[in-house]
Amino acid sequence: QVRLQQWGAGLLKPSETLSLTCAVYGGSFSGYYWNWIRQPPGKGLEWIGEINRSGGTKYNPSLKSRVTISVDTSRNRFSLKLNSVTAADTAVYYCARAPLEWFDYWGQGTLVTVSS
Amino acid sequence: QSALTQPASVSGSPGQSITISCTGTSSDVGGYNYVSWYQQHPGKAPKLMIYDVSNRPSGVSNRFSGSKSGNTASLTISGLQAEDEADYYCSSYTSSNSLPYVFGTGTKVTVL
Repeated sequence: QVRLQQWGAGLLKPSETLSLTCAVYGGSFSGYYWNWIRQPPGKGLEWIGEINRSGGTKYNPSLKSRVTISVDTSRNRFSLKLNSVTAADTAVYYCARAPLEWFDYWGQGTLVTVSS
Repeated sequence: QSALTQPASVSGSPGQSITISCTGTSSDVGGYNYVSWYQQHPGKAPKLMIYDVSNRPSGVSNRFSGSKSGNTASLTISGLQAEDEADYYCSSYTSSNSLPYVFGTGTKVTVL
């Protein structure tokens, strides 16, 4: 049974860096794309970016200048960093696995609030 | 790349069938058979219900079905049940190398 477990700081001040990690249990880490997706309160889903096992990345152009996704294959984990956060970055952040062009397993979500 | 367009809300009585539409462009929904649908209950992570337009993952009820015509994809829920009340999002692969995925605006399904 595949399980994604994520963690990270839930309260940030403006201009700080958001940092989240997602650990993958119970399945192969290779052969998949590992994604971050966010959902502002009461709003829809927004794709942030993805990384593959080899470290190849793609990022949403609207966030590209502030986002870094990295992978630690030795521990089956991948991470998200988002610099210079503002209140507009307040959202529930999800990690998710993509075998191809869909997301089949999701983390439990982490609410990140940006407030002074 | 704009979000895919979904109706804000759809409702139906138990046992009825409802259909949720998801409209995009030839650069996403119309260009690929890579539409997926997700169910999200309040406070929970999204759950994959349909992938590649019409395929159901193991464990998903056969009351859920997907289809596509042109630039519009659809999710049909037949035999509506109280547990189907949730938000539903479509997603599509896109022709943009920098933004490979786009989500729909979301639809709130209410079981009357």
